[in-house]
Order: sequence, then structure tokens, then C-alpha cells
Amino acid sequence: QKEVEQNSGPLSVPEGAIASLNCTYSDRVSQSFFWYRQYSGKSPELIMSIYSNGDKEDGRFTAQLNKASQYVSLLIRDSQPSDSATYLCALGDSGGYQKVTFGTGTKLQVIP
Amino acid sequence: EPEVTQTPSHQVTQMGQEVILRCVPISNHLYFYWYRQILGQKVEFLVSFYNNEISEKSEIFDDQFSVERPDGSNFTLKIRSTKLEDSAMYFCASSALYSDTQYFGPGTRLTVL
Repeated sequence: QKEVEQNSGPLSVPEGAIASLNCTYSDRVSQSFFWYRQYSGKSPELIMSIYSNGDKEDGRFTAQLNKASQYVSLLIRDSQPSDSATYLCALGDSGGYQKVTFGTGTKLQVIP
Repeated sequence: EPEVTQTPSHQVTQMGQEVILRCVPISNHLYFYWYRQILGQKVEFLVSFYNNEISEKSEIFDDQFSVERPDGSNFTLKIRSTKLEDSAMYFCASSALYSDTQYFGPGTRLTVL
């Protein structure tokens, strides 16, 4: 059984700061790693996927993966109040039609 | 931009009643999923569906649950005899061939009284 662990937060950062969100996972077989954003009462929205060790950057977002340490992180640069949401770390199985296993999420609050 | 749609947005039912939640996946997608999220808890996988059959299901997806693709566009989740603990947000998702990017619908909030 895959487990995905996240600090539930809330993580409060001032506007313009870097928000750092962390996630650890238990399953060494997982090949795909995702960060979803979920606003209150809304559905998860994929913001980043990462598959190999190292960093992957997309705009203000950087995902970092360390498979040896079973650790995934998400950095949000120049945080905006609109970034305030719950960020879900998730793992995918290998293969085409894979289920996604979600963590409980970290609530981020960006203070204007 | 294509999107996954779900109906109804909110369903209220009495315990023991059958409910059908409907989803229209993105048109060229081939993989379909149902997830649920009990209020304040994590998103949980229920079932994946490909080529007109279930490819994987979780322990939650017991005999009370079934899925169907009755035509070329709809994908449904049926709960035969609802329980109080089935109250949750149910999300449909779909993904394209060879893609692991799942697009989620807006969800159906199911309330069982």
C-alpha cells in the first residue's frame, strides 16, 4: 500500500516569498510524481509532474525529486494570494492507465 | 479548452437508495477514473476503466459500486444502496492514450441522509 505523507499546515508565507512544500512517500516502485492544487470545494488541478531525479521548473513552480530519499518537493517563487490553496502530492503507478495515490495535502496561505 | 463535465453538481439521497453519477470525459481520452473525497480527507482512488472494462479498483469499490460507459460519451458510477458513509465529493477524471496526466471534473457532492 502506497503512503504519501505531507504536513497538513497551514503554511503561511508573505506575498512575494518562496513557499516550500514537502512530501515523502513509502513506495520505491512509483515512477510518476505529481503536484496538484485544490482550491476549497473544487477539484484537483495538475500543476507539475516529475519523473526523474532533480529539478523541473515551470514558470514560478519548481518540483524536486529525490528517489533515493523518497522525497518530492514543490517550490513556489514570488508567491501570490491566488496561490492560497491546498497542494496535493501524488504518486502514479507505472503503466498507461494508472491510479493516482494522493497525500492529504498541505494548506498554503499567502499573506498580502 | 476541452474539459471533463459531471452531473449533477449536488445529489441528495436517502440511505438505501440507488444513485447514478454521470461524467462526460474529454472526447479523445481513453482512460477513465472515479475518485472520492470525504470532507476534510484525502482524495481516494475508486476505479479505473479502459477498453470497456475495469482495469483496477480499490478496496472501497465493493459490490455496491459499478461503472459503465453506456454510450460513446458518458461514463457513470452507480451506487446501488447508499450508506451514510458514502457522503463525499465524487470526482471523475480522464486521460489520453499513453498519458498519465489526468484531468478532473468539477465533482458531484453526494449527501446521504
